[in-house]
Amino acid sequence: RKEVEQDPGPFNVPEGATVAFNCTYSNSASQSFFWYRQDCRKEPKLLMSVYSSGNEDGRFTAQLNRASQYISLLIRDSKLSDSATYLCVVKMGDFNKFYFGSGTKLNVKP
Amino acid sequence: DGGITQSPKYLFRKEGQNVTLSCEQNLNHDAMYWYRQDPGQGLRLIYYSQIVNDFQKGDIAEGYSVSREKKESFPLTVTSAQKNPTAFYLCASRDRGGGNTEAFFGQGTRLTVV
Repeated sequence: RKEVEQDPGPFNVPEGATVAFNCTYSNSASQSFFWYRQDCRKEPKLLMSVYSSGNEDGRFTAQLNRASQYISLLIRDSKLSDSATYLCVVKMGDFNKFYFGSGTKLNVKP
Repeated sequence: DGGITQSPKYLFRKEGQNVTLSCEQNLNHDAMYWYRQDPGQGLRLIYYSQIVNDFQKGDIAEGYSVSREKKESFPLTVTSAQKNPTAFYLCASRDRGGGNTEAFFGQGTRLTVV
């Protein structure tokens, strides 16, 4: 079983739609959680960290459910510029190892 | 401006050759990482280093080697023992402080075996 699993998509949604991604992780001792965004043929960039109480940044909301070992990302009022691959990232262990999901591809259509 | 720089952006290697990918950061980060990304897949950890002169194997270290002689630099050598080296290689660095400190990525090196 992979340490971090995501639905690969693609999610094809119209502009203005609300879309949600989930990600599950295997290690209950995981310490930190992030969502990264990766544009085609580019490096990943941090979208937002995920805090235990949940957090929001504009149109983006991240949630963590430790009991069920999943994190989620909600994007409201989708824009064309939101089209990208969204990577779920989990930090585990004493040596700060980051584990990446395979990414969920989002296509926002006009 | 602080950042993390990888070079070259594109690299072509003949079969049987060793090649070295450069990664330099001026963020004063202790931790550095090398990942490999194949099409349609997530990032897989090759090697990581928490401090100068120390590094650990990741999940797919076979056929790769690294060094960490300086805090700023973490070069990756892809050896001839790596049977399928064509991939997108990403270097990252992170402040070793605890909590939700993010990893910063370089722009990547796209390696192709010809």
